[in-house]
Amino acid sequence: EVVMTQSPATLSVSPGERATLSCRASQSVIRNLAWYQQNPGQAPRLLFYDTSSRATGVPARFSGSGSGTEFTLTISNLQSEDFAVYYCQQYNNWPLTFGGGTKVEIK
Amino acid sequence: EVQLVESGGGLVKPGESLRLSCAASAFNFSSYSMNWVRQAPGKGLEWVSSISSSIRDYVFYADSVKGRFTISRDNAKSSLYLQMNSLSAEDTAVYYCARVPYASNGYPPFYFDYWGQGILVTVSS
Repeated sequence: EVVMTQSPATLSVSPGERATLSCRASQSVIRNLAWYQQNPGQAPRLLFYDTSSRATGVPARFSGSGSGTEFTLTISNLQSEDFAVYYCQQYNNWPLTFGGGTKVEIK
Repeated sequence: EVQLVESGGGLVKPGESLRLSCAASAFNFSSYSMNWVRQAPGKGLEWVSSISSSIRDYVFYADSVKGRFTISRDNAKSSLYLQMNSLSAEDTAVYYCARVPYASNGYPPFYFDYWGQGILVTVSS
């Protein structure tokens, strides 16, 4: 099983600043990685697939990068609606696995 | 607009069974692989099971549910199901129905582009 590790668990950021979230895979997943955003009480929302392909409606202040075992989600100019929990997920191998999540909170 | 609506959740006792349903609309259901993902209270996301579109014939299960859960679909009713047997407290979670993108060869990339709102399953005596 590919273990996905996200860091940090919690990130405190001021509105307007940049947030950098990390996701590490225990073995290469090539670029078969997705990112999701989840607000309290809501279903996850797809942000990126194939590491850096933005899903429909995702603002350009979000960007995804990386390959192999190291991946990054960057949120520039944080807006109030961006404070949420973010998950990465690999789909290179079965079973599909998610990271534990990073909560982006208001500083 | 794509919609996925789960139903069938509730409170059950350990060892009991429950069947979840997911009603899909606004897309050609039979052409898409479908999935269940769950989230225990206050915890992260856990993939549960996947089933192929109509042009293929495969199912996958997480080890944690293999032998107890069965995924199925009724394309005529645009519905996805999850039969859950021998439930335990560790199965308590919100269960999401989720779609993956279309793939003409029946082997899509398994990231989730649409999610239902989720349904709570509580297993407690």
